[in-house]
Amino acid sequence: NAGVTQTPKFQVLKTGQSMTLQCAQDMNHEYMSWYRQDPGMGLRLIHYSVGAGITDQGEVPNGYNVSRSTTEDFPLRLLSAAPSQTSVYFCASSKNRGETQYFGPGTRLLVL
Amino acid sequence: AQSVTQLDSHVSVSEGTPVLLRCNYSSSYSPSLFWYVQHPNKGLQLLLKYTSAATLVKGINGFEAEFKKSETSFHLTKPSAHMSDAAEYFCVVTRANTGNQFYFGTGTSLTVIP
Repeated sequence: NAGVTQTPKFQVLKTGQSMTLQCAQDMNHEYMSWYRQDPGMGLRLIHYSVGAGITDQGEVPNGYNVSRSTTEDFPLRLLSAAPSQTSVYFCASSKNRGETQYFGPGTRLLVL
Repeated sequence: AQSVTQLDSHVSVSEGTPVLLRCNYSSSYSPSLFWYVQHPNKGLQLLLKYTSAATLVKGINGFEAEFKKSETSFHLTKPSAHMSDAAEYFCVVTRANTGNQFYFGTGTSLTVIP
C-alpha cells in the first residue's frame, strides 16, 4: 500500500492564480480530510468527506473547494490564491469517522 | 464543542531523562484522544490513541499516555528520552466513534540535549 499520497510536494503561485492539490489513498477509507499547518497554530481542518459524494466544511473553509467523486481521491481547489493561503497542506484519511487518521507527506504552498 | 490545550510550546530534556508533554482537553462528548509526532519536514505519525478502553495507553517507541477524565488531561510520557525523539508533538481530540472533526493542539516542540 502507498497509503496517502499528495501532489505536488511544493508549489509557488502568484496571487489570483488557481490550482488543485491532489490527494489519493489506496486503503479504501471512507473518511478523508484536508488540513493546513501554520506556525504556532497546529493543524486546522479545511474540509472533510465521510464518503464519495459527501463533503462538508471544517474550521477554515473560505477560499477552498473540494469534491469527492471516488473513494480514493479528494482534491483541494484554490480558486483564487491569496498570500494568506501560504501554508503546508496535509491530507488525511481514516477508515471511518472518529478513527485514527493517516496523513500524507504534505504540500508546501507559497503564494506571492 | 471540543478543544485541546497543549500546556508547553517547547520542552527541553537531556538524553536518558524522562519526558512529559502535557495536554488538556475539553469535550461535550465522550472523546477519542490521539498523540501524533511530526519530525522536521515530515508528515504526521500516530504515537498512540485513547478510545474509551484502558485509561493507560501504550504507544510506539516507548511512549505512553494516561486518560484522566477528572482532570480532563491526556499527558504523554516516556521514561527515557532518546535523541531521535526530538520532534513536534500534537495532541488531538475528536468525538468518540462519530467525530467528523478533529481538533489539534498548537503543538509541543521537544528538544533532546545530548
